[in-house]
Amino acid sequence: DIQMTQSPSTLSASVGDRVTITCRASQNIDTWLAWYQQRPGKAPNLLIYKASSLESGVPSRFSGSGSGTEFTLTISGLQPDDFATYFCQHYNSYSRTFGQGTKVEIK
Amino acid sequence: EVQLLESGGGLVQPGGSLRLSCSASGFTFSTYAMGWVRQAPGKGLDWVSSIDNSGKNAFYADSVRGRFTISRDSSTHTLFLQLQSLRAEDTALYYCAKIGLLSANFDYWGQGILVTVSS
Repeated sequence: DIQMTQSPSTLSASVGDRVTITCRASQNIDTWLAWYQQRPGKAPNLLIYKASSLESGVPSRFSGSGSGTEFTLTISGLQPDDFATYFCQHYNSYSRTFGQGTKVEIK
Repeated sequence: EVQLLESGGGLVQPGGSLRLSCSASGFTFSTYAMGWVRQAPGKGLDWVSSIDNSGKNAFYADSVRGRFTISRDSSTHTLFLQLQSLRAEDTALYYCAKIGLLSANFDYWGQGILVTVSS
């Protein structure tokens, strides 16, 4: 089974900061990776798919990169609404695996 | 507007069964694959199961295969998850979600329904 590991688990940042979250796969997953944002008490929201494709309606300050086993989610200019937990997720035609999550907190 | 509304959750004893339903509206239900994702209290996201748009192909996480069954009814625009042989570790908020055609990921989610397995 493919394991997804995110780092850091928690990140403290300020409004306006550039933030980077890393996700590592236990084996090569090409670019079959998505990123989700989850605000407290809410359902997750899809941000990025295919490692770097921005989901419709998602602000352009969110970007994704990477392939193979290492991926990053970058938020350029953190906004108050962005303080949330972020999950990476590997996907293929028959299964999906989430990372454990990265909580972005206010510094 | 896409809406997904889960129902059927509640408290059940270990070894018991439950059937979750997800009523879908605002999109052509028969066109899209669907899935279930759960989240234990204070924990991360855990994919449970997905089903293709035809209902002919279903996929499960190892932790639930053989105990849970996903199905769909296009006539009523409803997604189901039958939960059997429930364990304490199945306690979670269960989300129903639609899979986008372009993204192939969960692009719309319900608000979730709580399943508690306890004696």
